[in-house]
Amino acid sequence: SQTIHQWPATLVQPVGSPLSLECTVEGTSNPNLYWYRQAAGRGLQLLFYSVGIGQISSEVPQNLSASRPQDRQFILSSKKLLLSDSGFYLCAWSVRWDTRGMNTEAFFGQGTRLTVV
Amino acid sequence: AQSVTQPDIHITVSEGASLELRCNYSYGATPYLFWYVQSPGQGLQLLLKYFSGDTLVQGIKGFEAEFKRSQSSFNLRKPSVHWSDAAEYFCAVGLTGNQFYFGTGTSLTVIP
Repeated sequence: SQTIHQWPATLVQPVGSPLSLECTVEGTSNPNLYWYRQAAGRGLQLLFYSVGIGQISSEVPQNLSASRPQDRQFILSSKKLLLSDSGFYLCAWSVRWDTRGMNTEAFFGQGTRLTVV
Repeated sequence: AQSVTQPDIHITVSEGASLELRCNYSYGATPYLFWYVQSPGQGLQLLLKYFSGDTLVQGIKGFEAEFKRSQSSFNLRKPSVHWSDAAEYFCAVGLTGNQFYFGTGTSLTVIP
C-alpha cells in the first residue's frame, strides 16, 4: 500500500533562517506531488505541484521554492524565512492523470507545523 | 475568478441533528469534486468524491454529497451527526491540469 511521510512534525525557526521540509511517498511510482499551506481562515493554499522529476509548477509567488530531486521525493525550501511563512504545511500525492482525465484523489501527509519567530 | 467557496466558516449542531455543509465552485467545466475532513493538527482524510455518473455519492462515516450542475454546488450531508464528527471540513475540486484546489473550510462543532 502507498504511504506518505512528511517531516518534521513541528518546527520553530527564527526569521531569516533557511527552511527545508521533506516529503516522500512509498508504494507508488510517478506520482503527482503537492505542497499546500494552511493558514487560519484561508483554507488550503496550493503552493507547488509536480508531475515529474524536476518539473515544478508554482501557484503563488512567495518566499518559498520546491524541488523534486527523485521520483517520490518533494522538498519545500526557503533561503530566508519570514514571519508570514508560519503555518501548517501539508504534502500530498495523487496518481498521475492521463488524457482520459483523472480518477484519483489527493492523499495527504500528517503535516508540519512551522512557527517563525 | 476560479474558486471554491464554502460560505459557512463555522457551524454548530446538536448531536443527532442533521447536517448540511455547503460548497460552490466556479470553474469553466465540471470539475472533479471532493470532500475531506481534518481533525486538529492532522492531515486530511477523504470522505467522498464525484467524478461522473450518479450525482448523489455516498462516502465514509455516513456522509453523502449531491452534485448539482445548475447550481455549481456539491453540498455535504449527514442525517444524524455524532460527537466524533466535530472537525474541519474541506471541499475541493480537481482539474485536468493535475491541480487540486480547496475551499476555506467549515469548522463543525457538535454539542451534546
